[in-house]
Amino acid sequence: QSVLTQPPSVSGAPGQRVTISCTGSSTNLGAHYDVHWYQQLPGTAPKLLIFANNNRPSGVPDRFSGSKSGTSASLAITGLQAEDEADYYCQSFDTSLADVVFGGGTKLTVL
Amino acid sequence: QVQLVESGGGVVQPGTSLRLSCTASGFTFSSHGMHWVRQAPGKGLEWVASIWYDGTNKYHADPVKGRFTISRDNSKNTVSLQMNSLRAEDTAVYFCARERRNIWNALDFWGQGTLVTVSS
Repeated sequence: QSVLTQPPSVSGAPGQRVTISCTGSSTNLGAHYDVHWYQQLPGTAPKLLIFANNNRPSGVPDRFSGSKSGTSASLAITGLQAEDEADYYCQSFDTSLADVVFGGGTKLTVL
Repeated sequence: QVQLVESGGGVVQPGTSLRLSCTASGFTFSSHGMHWVRQAPGKGLEWVASIWYDGTNKYHADPVKGRFTISRDNSKNTVSLQMNSLRAEDTAVYFCARERRNIWNALDFWGQGTLVTVSS
């Protein structure tokens, strides 16, 4: 059971917009710790997609955006493309565990 | 370009030890915190350990505390993970990852991973 809760799967058709939620608690997202998002394509290492809630590293398309409010965060992907099919993970810090924590991951399927 | 290359994985028996290494290139290694993250077969990501840029502070996840130790050698651009008393549940691909400067715990570059299999 992950400290950060993500839906196991989401799906959307090409061109659509999808969002992936990441729900935490008062000891992580609610304690003002930043959330980061990663994309993991099949058989590859994770890639940093969004850092510090809503910032994109250079090279990440602006179709990807992040937001955070209270104990929850979201990753939005607009103009969905077949190449976006991957697993997505949120990550933060939990002050109760005193550990870096990941969400359980969300598998995005492009229909 | 930034490169992280892990090595040292393999098949070992429960209760034994293994040492993983990660060699970095393409950036100023001594300026970045480093992390180990693992992924069991078919499962999600699990943070394992981290170390400050200068090695003065180290942190380990509860499941590995007392068994695993992270270390670094800035003169050799390497970060290591000494794994003792290995258990079946430690079976995973182990990734080393670089922490983005000034962004706590944001891992901006990852190695390709090395597989550790603990089995009798």
